[in-house]
Formats: sequence, structure tokens, C-alpha cells
Amino acid sequence: DTEVTQTPKHLVMGMTNKKSLKCEQHMGHRAMYWYKQKAKKPPELMFVYSYEKLSINESVPSRFSPECPNSSLLNLHLHALQPEDSALYLCASSQDPAGGSTDTQYFGPGTRLTVL
Amino acid sequence: AQSVTQPDIHITVSEGASLELRCNYSYGATPYLFWYVQSPGQGLQLLLKYFSGDTLVQGIKGFEAEFKRSQSSFNLRKPSVHWSDAAEYFCAVGANYGNKLVFGAGTILRVKS
Repeated sequence: DTEVTQTPKHLVMGMTNKKSLKCEQHMGHRAMYWYKQKAKKPPELMFVYSYEKLSINESVPSRFSPECPNSSLLNLHLHALQPEDSALYLCASSQDPAGGSTDTQYFGPGTRLTVL
Repeated sequence: AQSVTQPDIHITVSEGASLELRCNYSYGATPYLFWYVQSPGQGLQLLLKYFSGDTLVQGIKGFEAEFKRSQSSFNLRKPSVHWSDAAEYFCAVGANYGNKLVFGAGTILRVKS
């Protein structure tokens, strides 16, 4: 089973709201990722967690705050977002962070975020 | 730095016809290459991957890809396209640090009946 689940599927929020995106996997993977995908563009990496520790932050604004409470869960906390942050947010996981670029990433279905 | 080029933004093929989607990469060492497919509004599904060994790789849904080091290419092929193959296809290369994937811009496949 290579399933990554994400909730909610859709989220609409105002610029003053605080919300969270949730990602879950039960494959025993030890690396988890957040990507942002704008319309008609490829996914762009935001964060990587390896063994529940933040290992890569691609210079993401602080209004996005990731959290990895345990090896199966990954959250993305959102606060004071801008309309240009509207996008599909994808979560992915992979088995072995030490595997480097050979470690295959499996993606969830995404959360469609709209910021009003 | 690694980069991936998918020269075709859109491709339209007739149902039952063969398909080839192009992917060229730039990478200094042995590349680790992936093809993903994305249906509208959905996540990415892994079709196949190449790490080493046989340069012709078989994937799911009847897709295959051939790694050609001399041409820095990893083209995706399917002998007979089905209407359900209409989607966007992304080629990606594994970066040489961490677990970063570098994606191409994607190719949108349309299938006409």
C-alpha cells in the first residue's frame, strides 16, 4: 500500500484566519514533504522532514509553519496568508531519508487552498 | 544544478495511437529519473523510475521509458493510448542533496476519440 492521505480536500480561508493542513501515511516512511503547486506549474518543494526533524526549508515565508508530531503525521499551519498563496498543496513521503535522490516519493491527493 | 526540460507543453493523440513524451535532463553524475502522472486536481502518481541497470524501464498502466545517457533523455512511451491516459505528465530528476526532486514543466496529454 502506497497511500498518503491529506485533509481537507478543499479549504477556503480569509487572510486573517488560522488553519492547518494534515497529511498522514502508514507505510513506515521516515521522510515527509510539503510541495506547493500553482495552476499549470510543476510542484515546488517547500519543506522536508527526515526522521521527524526539519531538514530542508526552501526559503518559505514564515506564514507557513510545518510540524511533524510523529513519523506518520505531517501538518502545515497557515496564518495570515495572501491570495497569491492559493494553490494545491501536496504532501509526499518516502522510505529512507538517507537514500537521497534514489528514495522514491509517493504523493497524496492534495489540498486545494483558496485564500480570499 | 540539475534541471529537467519537457519540450512539449501539450500533445494530442488519437485513442489507440502510440505516444512518446520527451524529457531531457541536465545532471553531472548518474541521474535518478522519475515519471509521474497527474489527473486534474489530483496528486501525482508514480509511473516508473530509473536508478541503474537496464535502460528500458517498465511501469504501470502499460508505460515504459528508455534512458539514453548519450542524449541525456528519458522519454516516456506507450504503444496504444486510452482515453483515460489524458492527464499531465511530469518528468523529474533526483537532486544531489537531500531528497529533493526537480520537476520538468509538465506535458498535458489530450486524447481524441
